[in-house]
Amino acid sequence: EAAVTQSPRNKVAVTGGKVTLSCNQTNNHNNMYWYRQDTGHGLRLIHYSYGAGSTEKGDIPDGYKASRPSQENFSLILELATPSQTSVYFCASGQGERLFFGHGTKLSVL
Amino acid sequence: SQWGEENLQALSIQEGEDVTMNCSYKTYTTVVHWYRQDSGRGPALIILIRSNEREKRSGRLRATLDTSSQSSSLSITAAQCEDTAVYFCATDAGTGGYKVVFGSGTRLLVSP
Repeated sequence: EAAVTQSPRNKVAVTGGKVTLSCNQTNNHNNMYWYRQDTGHGLRLIHYSYGAGSTEKGDIPDGYKASRPSQENFSLILELATPSQTSVYFCASGQGERLFFGHGTKLSVL
Repeated sequence: SQWGEENLQALSIQEGEDVTMNCSYKTYTTVVHWYRQDSGRGPALIILIRSNEREKRSGRLRATLDTSSQSSSLSITAAQCEDTAVYFCATDAGTGGYKVVFGSGTRLLVSP
């Protein structure tokens, strides 16, 4: 079974602070994704990547940056966190048509 | 509004009943995924159907796809309590599997 590990599992940040969410996959998948899920809603795509060194904007990229330094790692960076970015963030990896998700990071921006 | 921004729909049924969940997507896709999300966990793929297929079955699951109306459905036969979860459809927005975007989803509650 594909393994996607996110860290941290929970994060409390202050408004205006910098937040980095990390994701590691051990399956050698080319594609990786960051989604956010607000309570009672679906998943919205923030950024994704085709491989090391590449990042692409998803549907809601404003306020977020992404970094893919290696095949295994994909980070989501909030340079100036705002309360509207309070959400659960999911990382996923995939090659072909199936995505494998991590357990999510619950971020609260106060 | 953006696809997937709407509130989750809610369905409540009794164990043993059949249920169908629908999904309408906005852009061309080569494949429709159906994912299941259990509480506190990330989604997991349960079935996918490609644009050249009209129907796909896997155990008690049946997915259909109508490319002309850009809609898909997921049916569960004889639902069980353990089918309680949130179900999402997702498409590749015509990118051949690279950019995967999710629909708004259905929260299914199956009661004994």
